[in-house]
Amino acid sequence: AQTVTQSQPEMSVQEAETVTLSCTYDTSESDYYLFWYKQPPSRQMILVIRQEAYKQQNATENRFSVNFQKAAKSFSLKISDSQLGDAAMYFCAYRSARYGGSQGNLIFGKGTKLSVKP
Amino acid sequence: DAGITQSPRYKITETGRQVTLMCHQTWSHSYMFWYRQDLGHGLRLIYYSAAADITDKGEVPDGYVVSRSKTENFPLTLESATRSQTSVYFCASSEWGEGVNEQFFGPGTRLTVL
Repeated sequence: AQTVTQSQPEMSVQEAETVTLSCTYDTSESDYYLFWYKQPPSRQMILVIRQEAYKQQNATENRFSVNFQKAAKSFSLKISDSQLGDAAMYFCAYRSARYGGSQGNLIFGKGTKLSVKP
Repeated sequence: DAGITQSPRYKITETGRQVTLMCHQTWSHSYMFWYRQDLGHGLRLIYYSAAADITDKGEVPDGYVVSRSKTENFPLTLESATRSQTSVYFCASSEWGEGVNEQFFGPGTRLTVL
């Protein structure tokens, strides 16, 4: 069974600085997807960025980028130029690339709470 | 409005009562999911449905019942609520088939069982 581990329950960053959130996962599959979700105090789950395992290039979305290390099964999220609105809970998630049955299910880490100091 | 909605947003009930949480999506997505979110556990899958009339258990199904008679609706019922079911519940939906098929989440229901 696949597992996702976020080893940092809480992180803090100064506004305008850069912060990296860690995520490791365990799987025997070779094709899968990885996601970072943001959950602000409103509770809404917002997809921040996603990575297809078959792509070697790291995904980037504006100030958000990932460092995907497939061999190490590592998927960290880097937030550049941190803003007060980035304060939230961040969840790393895994999904098999196969579809049908339970394959569409997301497996989540326990989350990292990010605080941004002004 | 297009999207995925949940009702109620907040619910307080008592131990032993039956509670139904509603989920409705307008995209005609094949897959729908129910998660619960608890401190220290992240989101855990309760049940999922691959299509109308097809449902299956997730990681933490005990104490919950689901049905899916229509593609757009996926209600979650707690037949006899317990305090351990106090949680925030999220419904989600996605397409089926090859590709990333992003899951879209509803706004969540905060349930308190006294």
